[in-house]
Amino acid sequence: DIQVTQSPSSLSASVGDRVTITCRAGQSIRNYLNWYQQKPGKAPQLLIYAASTLQSGVPSRFSGSGSGTDFALTISSLQPEDFAIYYCQQSYSTSWTFGQGTKVEIK
Amino acid sequence: QITLKESGPTVVKPTQTLTLTCTCSGFSVTTSEVGVGWIRQPPGKALEWLALIYWDDDERYSPSLKSRLTITKDSSKNQVVLTMTNMDSVDTATYFCAHMGLYYFGSGSYRTFDYWGQGTLVTVSS
Repeated sequence: DIQVTQSPSSLSASVGDRVTITCRAGQSIRNYLNWYQQKPGKAPQLLIYAASTLQSGVPSRFSGSGSGTDFALTISSLQPEDFAIYYCQQSYSTSWTFGQGTKVEIK
Repeated sequence: QITLKESGPTVVKPTQTLTLTCTCSGFSVTTSEVGVGWIRQPPGKALEWLALIYWDDDERYSPSLKSRLTITKDSSKNQVVLTMTNMDSVDTATYFCAHMGLYYFGSGSYRTFDYWGQGTLVTVSS
């Protein structure tokens, strides 16, 4: 399995803050990296695929970057509805693996 | 629109076999390039991919759980079924099914879980 490791595991931020979450793969996965948002009691929702391509309907304050082994998800101006858990997932290997998640909490 | 819904028992006993059904609508499980996968999430923990079946019956399994899992599809009912044998308390989790779509960007093609069911909580307890 290709391991993906997120950091931090949690963070506290205020509305309007710029927030960055990182994801590191255990080997090069080129740009085969997806990001999901999960709110309490709900299924995950796809935010970004191919490391940097916004899924249809996702606000432009979300952006993704990176290739190879190091990736980032950035929220340019945190909104109240963005408080959630974020997961990265590699799709380079057909043994898809998720990161351990980053919880974004209200400061 | 694409929707998926999981169904199955809410409680299973240790050593029993779990059978979960994912009923799909808004797409056909036999449409070219489509996949349907299962992902689970123990309470308060991270997502774990379990298995996936493609439109052409190609199957993929998590290496760590491969010996316990079987994924099949029923084209006539547009359903995907997951069975997991020898259930244990550590298998207590919410089980999600998800549509795997194929996206083209630049010179590449990318598979993502783009639509998810609501999930079903399965508790393993005697």
